[in-house]
Amino acid sequence: QEQLVESGGGLVKPGGSLRLSCAASGFTFSDYYMSWIRQAPGKGLEWVSYISSSGIIIYYADSVKGRFTISRDNAKNSLYLQMNSLRAEDTAVYYCARVRGIPRSYFDYWGQGTLVTVSS
Amino acid sequence: QSALTQPASVSGSPGQSITISCTGTSSDVGNYNLVSWYQQHPGKAPKLMIYEGSKRPSGVSNRFSGSKSGNTASLTISGLQAEDEADYYCCSYAGSSTFHVVFGGGTKLTVL
Repeated sequence: QEQLVESGGGLVKPGGSLRLSCAASGFTFSDYYMSWIRQAPGKGLEWVSYISSSGIIIYYADSVKGRFTISRDNAKNSLYLQMNSLRAEDTAVYYCARVRGIPRSYFDYWGQGTLVTVSS
Repeated sequence: QSALTQPASVSGSPGQSITISCTGTSSDVGNYNLVSWYQQHPGKAPKLMIYEGSKRPSGVSNRFSGSKSGNTASLTISGLQAEDEADYYCCSYAGSSTFHVVFGGGTKLTVL
């Protein structure tokens, strides 16, 4: 069955960097668009970034544009999020999710999430 | 893009029906029939319950249904069960030139 497993979260100082990974299994990863979505402690969901199946089409939320970079390695069935210039407001659980629909509008499988804490 | 508006909390007794509203604008909910709903139990990942307005993924109970009127989408849960107690989030497609979705703030459902 479809499975997504995130890793790479942790405690980082403001201005620091972190790279998140998401390992996919149980489906043909290279066929699907993928996204990162985050949830600050006690808060709601916020879409962060999106990448097409080939990696050519990429979008970011305004809140992370210029600081975060999404990428994927279809040979390794993996999705990544490079996070630079981290701020306290980036503290959240980060989920990777598979994107579906035409147009792409919903997320049908989610990982369990990885916690990123930005604090001095 | 502002978040969609959901009530902070709703409650109901076992067996009853409840409806959670999700209000957006003519740029998102009102312009597309592309609202999805997610259930999230504490400490767990969100789970897709409804997509493209009213479609249910395989395995989701038919007690869950979605609808839309104007700029407001709704999730109805009939025959409430204890395990339905969770947070629920709506999400609407909001862009055509770029990928853009907007989430609601979430609604805590309490089964009394």
